[in-house]
Amino acid sequence: NAGVMQNPRHLVRRRGQEARLRCSPMKGHSHVYWYRQLPEEGLKFMVYLQKENIIDESGMPKERFSAEFPKEGPSILRIQQVVRGDSAAYFCASEQGSGNTEAFFGQGTRLTVV
Amino acid sequence: GNSVTQMEGPVTLSEEAFLTINCTYTATGYPSLFWYVQYPGEGLQLLLKATKADDKGSNKGFEATYRKETTSFHLEKGSVQVSDSAVYFCALSDRPGSARQLTFGSGTQLTVLP
Repeated sequence: NAGVMQNPRHLVRRRGQEARLRCSPMKGHSHVYWYRQLPEEGLKFMVYLQKENIIDESGMPKERFSAEFPKEGPSILRIQQVVRGDSAAYFCASEQGSGNTEAFFGQGTRLTVV
Repeated sequence: GNSVTQMEGPVTLSEEAFLTINCTYTATGYPSLFWYVQYPGEGLQLLLKATKADDKGSNKGFEATYRKETTSFHLEKGSVQVSDSAVYFCALSDRPGSARQLTFGSGTQLTVLP
C-alpha cells in the first residue's frame, strides 16, 4: 500500500506563472488536507477536502489559490499568478475517515518562485 | 486561536545522550497533542500522541506526557541514536481523537553524532 504521493517534489516557477501541485492519497482514504510550510515556520493548515467537496478552506488565501479533489484522480492545489511569497513547501495529508484516525503525510512539494 | 511553541533548534547531541525537546501550547478546551517526525527526504510521520490530560504517548523509545497544568507536551528520549536525526514537530488538534486541521510548531532539527 503506497503512502501519500505528491508530485512534483520540486517545482520552479517564474512570477506570474501557474503552479499545479498534485496529491494522491493512500488507497481507501477519502479525506485530504493541504498544509503550507513557509521558511522557518511550522506547517499551516490550508484546506480540507473530501471527494468532490471542499469541507473547510479557512486557511486558504482568498485570491489565486484553489483546490479540488475530483471523483477520479489526485487532489490538485492550484496557485495562479505566483509571487515570490508563495515559495514554500506544500504538504498533503490523507485520512481514512472522520473520528480517531491517523493522518498520513506526503513528502511535500517544494515550490520556488523566481 | 490555537498555537504551538517549540524549542528552537538546531539541536546537536552525541549518541546515547538524553534528549528533551520542549513544546508548549495555547488552545481552548481539551486538544489532542501529537509529535511528528520528518526524516530526510520523507514526509511527516506520526511519532506519538496523547488525547487527554496526564496521558503518556510513547513510541520507539520516545515519550511525551500531556500536562494540562503547564500546557506542555515535552518530547524525551533517554538515549538517542544517529538514526534519530530528523526534524521533530509538535502539533495539536482541537477536534477530539482526530488528526485533522493540525496546528504545528515550527519544528526542531535534531542531529545525533556518532
